Amino acid sequence: KAGVTQTPRYLIKTRGQQVTLSCSPISGHRSVSWYQQTPGQGLQFLFEYFSETQRNKGNFPGRFSGRQFSNSRSEMNVSTLELGDSALYLCASSLDTGGDSPLHFGNGTRLTVT
Amino acid sequence: SQQGEEDPQALSIQEGENATMNCSYKTSINNLQWYRQNSGRGLVHLILIRSNEREKHSGRLRVTLDTSKKSSSLLITASRAADTASYFCATTRNTDKLIFGTGTRLQVFP
Repeated sequence: KAGVTQTPRYLIKTRGQQVTLSCSPISGHRSVSWYQQTPGQGLQFLFEYFSETQRNKGNFPGRFSGRQFSNSRSEMNVSTLELGDSALYLCASSLDTGGDSPLHFGNGTRLTVT
Repeated sequence: SQQGEEDPQALSIQEGENATMNCSYKTSINNLQWYRQNSGRGLVHLILIRSNEREKHSGRLRVTLDTSKKSSSLLITASRAADTASYFCATTRNTDKLIFGTGTRLQVFP
């Protein structure tokens, strides 16, 4: 089976712009979770989608949003980018929701905001 | 915010030695998972241990869980240079999201 695919791999954006990141889960996985990883804050949970519904949300401002399509592919959007949004954004898929089955991670999108 | 904290933050050993990493968490859990991350890449799932289990093995990995102390340990036996990575524990309670700890950076010298 193909693994989790995240695109693009690298992004450079300017403050104030918006960005959309894409994630294709493993075939058959219905849950997609997003995490932000920075050296200072570590791995922070953003949100989780299951069958096109947001199941859980982390403690991030409303500038961070996401969605899941009927084929389980997911996108996350960050509007009005700030310097502090520079991070590795990781997407992970799993068979079930709620952290009860292992997460399969993509290699991430490295976002740099200048 | 992190649910778990790994200890030590960094660990350096020689090939062939054993590596032990500890994870402490704050609230009751459904399960605890360990992941490995090579530099700049995604995390790889290593092992999942449920709250009613005390010990699990997978190859050279041994995980223990002590729910009374809210702690877990990951033992890697006979370490190899390829084991060099960051290791994270992650916990979940009820049907909530998976929350990761702060990680241990393991360096294995050939």
